[in-house]
Amino acid sequence: GENVEQHPSTLSVQEGDSAVIKCTYSDSASNYFPWYKQELGKRPQLIIDIRSNVGEKKDQRIAVTLNKTAKHFSLHITETQPEDSAVYFCAAGEAAGNKLTFGGGTRVLVKP
Amino acid sequence: EPEVTQTPSHQVTQMGQEVILRCVPISNHLYFYWYRQILGQKVEFLVSFYNNEISEKSEIFDDQFSVERPDGSNFTLKIRSTKLEDSAMYFCASSELGQGYYGYTFGSGTRLTVV
Repeated sequence: GENVEQHPSTLSVQEGDSAVIKCTYSDSASNYFPWYKQELGKRPQLIIDIRSNVGEKKDQRIAVTLNKTAKHFSLHITETQPEDSAVYFCAAGEAAGNKLTFGGGTRVLVKP
Repeated sequence: EPEVTQTPSHQVTQMGQEVILRCVPISNHLYFYWYRQILGQKVEFLVSFYNNEISEKSEIFDDQFSVERPDGSNFTLKIRSTKLEDSAMYFCASSELGQGYYGYTFGSGTRLTVV
C-alpha cells in the first residue's frame, strides 16, 4: 500500500521567513495530494491540494509543487505569520472515493 | 459552508464496553470515511463506505469495528469491545461523487478515552 514520509517533524521559523515541508510517497498510482493544517484539538483543514496533471499550484502565501517522477511534493509558505503555527499534514490518494494516506505531520512554530 | 457533524465531541468509556460514534455527513455527499488519530500521531484511515457498503478498510478496522448508515443521514462507527489502545480522536469525513476527492471534508472529531 501507499506510504507517505514527511519531513521535517518540527520546523521553527521567524515571522516573515518562508517554511518548506517535504513529502515523499511510494505508490505511483496516487494522483491526488492534499495538505492539511491542524490546530490543537481541531479537525484537519484542507489548505491546498494538487493533482498529478499539475506541477505547481499557488494560493496567496501558500504553494505546492509536485514531482511525479521522483514521487515527492512540497508545501511552501511565504511571509509566515504567527497564525501559521500549527501541525501540517501531507497526504496522498488515488481516484474518487478512496482513502487518503497521511504523512507523519510537521509541527510549525512561527516566532514573532 | 456545509459541515460534517460528529457527536459526541468527547466519550469516556470503560474497557470492554461498546461505543457508537455518530456522524452526519454533508447532505449531497456519497462517500463516507472514518479516520483515527492517536494523540500526537498522524491521521490513519479506518474505512470508506459507498452505496451502503464498505468499499475499503485498513488493517486497523478488525472485527471489533463496524459501520452503518441506518437512516440515510447518520453514519456510525461502532467499536464492540473497546481496548485501551482504541483511545484516540476519531474523525468522520465525506466527499462528493466526482473527479477525485471533490469536497472532501472532515468533521470536528470525537475524542474517545478508554479507561
